[in-house]
Amino acid sequence: QSALTQPASVSGSPGQSITISCTGTSSDASGYDYVSWYQQQPGKAPKLMIYDVSNRPSGVSNRFSGSKSGNTASLTISGLQAEDEADYYCSSYISSSTLGVFGTGTKVTVL
Amino acid sequence: EVQLVQSGAEVKKPGESLKISCKGSGYSFTNYWIAWVRQMPGKGLEWMGIIYPGDSDTTYSPSFQGQVTISVDKSISTAYLQWSSLKASDTAMYYCARRSGRKGPFDPWGQGTLVTVSS
Repeated sequence: QSALTQPASVSGSPGQSITISCTGTSSDASGYDYVSWYQQQPGKAPKLMIYDVSNRPSGVSNRFSGSKSGNTASLTISGLQAEDEADYYCSSYISSSTLGVFGTGTKVTVL
Repeated sequence: EVQLVQSGAEVKKPGESLKISCKGSGYSFTNYWIAWVRQMPGKGLEWMGIIYPGDSDTTYSPSFQGQVTISVDKSISTAYLQWSSLKASDTAMYYCARRSGRKGPFDPWGQGTLVTVSS
């Protein structure tokens, strides 16, 4: 199965808001109610930031929010901070795979 | 605290075998799926396979079917990823992650095991 498509990089200044998109195919859209987002800081393991499109786990800042429209899910980081500089990956359950599929990854740079 | 703790870094030669581990604690190990994920140097995340410790039901990604074996010893709450004959291209960081149900997110993740294969 093909990976979900994300922009390779997104940047913003401290305090700004940025949005990362995650686009799949229409044939997998039925699984997109189960999109999750992971943050991977340099040299660290991935960390769950958003699950089931828009839910935040306990302990994750409310500056992180998720949404979905059609085949595209989005992660928005508001009030951008230096500590948000990391790679971000989306992932979704798809009906054709027990494992699901990862996005291609987006590097977020805080200017 | 729910956590997954992985075994330490390994340096191996091509053709050697290897088994790395992922020990769960702080939850009922048999009730959650455990997945393995590969991250090659400077690259993205790739699902390798997933196992349900309760009955050892295992699914492999087509890219990894026949290349690795995923297993579990539920008596010690530990999942394993093993290779019978390593290749240089197996050099990567390997993560385990816990999944709630067949469609749920992966949380938490282990700290990762770096495998280096070099002659």
